[in-house]
Amino acid sequence: SYVLAQPPSVSVAPGQTARITCGGNNIGSESVHWYQQKPGQAPLMVVYDDNDRPSGIPERFSGSKSGNMATLTISRVDAGDEADYFCQVWHSRSNHYVFGSGTEVTVL
Amino acid sequence: QVHLVESGGDVVQPGRSLRLSCSASGFIFSSYAMHWVRQAPGKGLEWVAVMSYDGSVEYYADSVTGRFTVSRDNSENTLYLQMNSLRGEDTAVYYCARELSVSHGIDFWGQGTPVTVSS
Repeated sequence: SYVLAQPPSVSVAPGQTARITCGGNNIGSESVHWYQQKPGQAPLMVVYDDNDRPSGIPERFSGSKSGNMATLTISRVDAGDEADYFCQVWHSRSNHYVFGSGTEVTVL
Repeated sequence: QVHLVESGGDVVQPGRSLRLSCSASGFIFSSYAMHWVRQAPGKGLEWVAVMSYDGSVEYYADSVTGRFTVSRDNSENTLYLQMNSLRGEDTAVYYCARELSVSHGIDFWGQGTPVTVSS
């Protein structure tokens, strides 16, 4: 089965930049989406189709992709960005939607 | 204002069945594919099933194939998940979510309904 690998945790100081990676075989051919989930809440989409932002999501959130890796970048991090972040693709070869294992972002 | 409200979650014994519902409002339900995604306690997100906007196509995760069935009633703006032969590993919060297209991703989620499978 298709796997998306994410680091379990990322720590960043306030005002700095957090980068969360999502690795998957041939991920370059898939649209990658990113979700933020705070404790006790439903997930919230923060980036779709590799690097687009839904309405209402700050420009501090951006996405990129290169080779077999997608990256979510959060600039000027603040305490409100503490959350779990998940990447997701539609794996067309298997007709399965796949989520990454999730990354916990901690603001120091 | 978009709303997705799940219901039907409960505590059930292994081997029993349960049906979840998701009531949608504030958007054109019949234009969106609809998903069920679950999250076991302390774990990540696990995709469960999707049904196309018109109900003609459905896909399932390997872990639920043959046990779970997704359906929808576009006249009632409601999505369902019939869960049979429940197992302990099905214990999770079940979210209903919408998707306009693969390239748009899953752009709105309900608040979830908890399912506990335990004897």
